[in-house]
Amino acid sequence: DTGVSQDPRHKITKRGQNVTFRCDPISEHNRLYWYRQTLGQGPEFLTYFQNEAQLEKSRLLSDRFSAERPKGSFSTLEIQRTEQGDSAMYLCASSSSSADYGYTFGSGTRLTVV
Amino acid sequence: EDQVTQSPEALRLQEGESSSLNCSYTVSGLRGLFWYRQDPGKGPEFLFTLYSAGEEKEKERLKATLTKKESFLHITAPKPEDSATYLCAVQGSGGSNYKLTFGKGTLLTVNP
Repeated sequence: DTGVSQDPRHKITKRGQNVTFRCDPISEHNRLYWYRQTLGQGPEFLTYFQNEAQLEKSRLLSDRFSAERPKGSFSTLEIQRTEQGDSAMYLCASSSSSADYGYTFGSGTRLTVV
Repeated sequence: EDQVTQSPEALRLQEGESSSLNCSYTVSGLRGLFWYRQDPGKGPEFLFTLYSAGEEKEKERLKATLTKKESFLHITAPKPEDSATYLCAVQGSGGSNYKLTFGKGTLLTVNP
């Protein structure tokens, strides 16, 4: 297993366009998280899945954001009608039920909205 | 609401010059305190989890300690390859007991 994979690594889009990111977690991890990180800040929680169920969405996640995890495997995060304020690094992480090894993060998708 | 404050924001050291990074936190019931290392353009890399006051963990030149209000990451005889942003995060036992609340990080630069 090569860890958490995210695709694409970089995305440049025009304001108003829709974008979709993909995350492939570590196969034996049943928990999956999306975080957002802007320059000079720590990651901020967006949403959490346990298996295929989305159990929590942050207040940061406006109606333009939607996330799915079909069949409890990979996950997608879609942003509709992108705005310049959406420019950030979008990080995916996964974990098992034990916190001893922390959450394993992917390398992220850097979104630039122009 | 859980809060994490890290200091200093940036730290510049000479190779071999030991120092400590601070993480102050407020949380409703600590389930775990996490330290991560983040290199530019990459995701955070897990270093340690601490669960209770008095606990210590070590990995190579890094040692993390925990009290009821703060955690320290001690760096002994750092090398240039230790240059990175170090992030602290807490996991509380409140309603959202699975999510991590991060600080802004400390940017460490080690000069040869």
